[in-house]
Amino acid sequence: NAGVMQNPRHLVRRRGQEARLRCSPMKGHSHVYWYRQLPEEGLKFMVYLQKENIIDESGMPKERFSAEFPKEGPSILRIQQVVRGDSAAYFCASSPVGSATGELFFGEGSRLTVL
Amino acid sequence: KQEVTQIPAALSVPEGENLVLNCSFTDSAIYNLQWFRQDPGKGLTSLLLIQSSQREQTSGRLNASLDKSSGRSTLYIAASQPGDSATYLCAPLNAGKSTFGDGTTLTVKP
Repeated sequence: NAGVMQNPRHLVRRRGQEARLRCSPMKGHSHVYWYRQLPEEGLKFMVYLQKENIIDESGMPKERFSAEFPKEGPSILRIQQVVRGDSAAYFCASSPVGSATGELFFGEGSRLTVL
Repeated sequence: KQEVTQIPAALSVPEGENLVLNCSFTDSAIYNLQWFRQDPGKGLTSLLLIQSSQREQTSGRLNASLDKSSGRSTLYIAASQPGDSATYLCAPLNAGKSTFGDGTTLTVKP
């Protein structure tokens, strides 16, 4: 059973470009969470999605950031017009549908560098 | 709003020592609590999941306890090894958004 898969693992963008980060949850998991870890800082919640629905986006910056989890395919975190402050590691986690434990399974992360 | 505090922020010990990492949280209305380790430049590896009905959970040299009513959890590491050097994170789990502590960075010196 493959774990949570994130790609790309490393992404370099110039200011003003767009970054798209993908996350495939573990098989059987329909809950996806995105977290951001700025350099030398802790893990901060961004958004919680289920298939075709955004459940909680209270941690998402109001502008330039969006997330989706379509019926088919991976979850996408999209950052438009990137700025240097977006440079961070972006982690995706998934949990099983109907799980009462809430246990999180994390991917290896996507590391975005904005030049 | 859940706030999670981990103490100490950093810890350096000689190999072989037993040690305790502390986690406190403000909102006790949680499902469970999960401990992770993170190596530099890597993702999070799950260490232990303590369900809210449990008081503790053990895996090898690791033992985690949970006192939900007082909002505390501890991670006990026995006979520490250099390979245990990493950042340890705790996360009280809610139905959806879960808040992480800033972690304890552990260095075990040979």
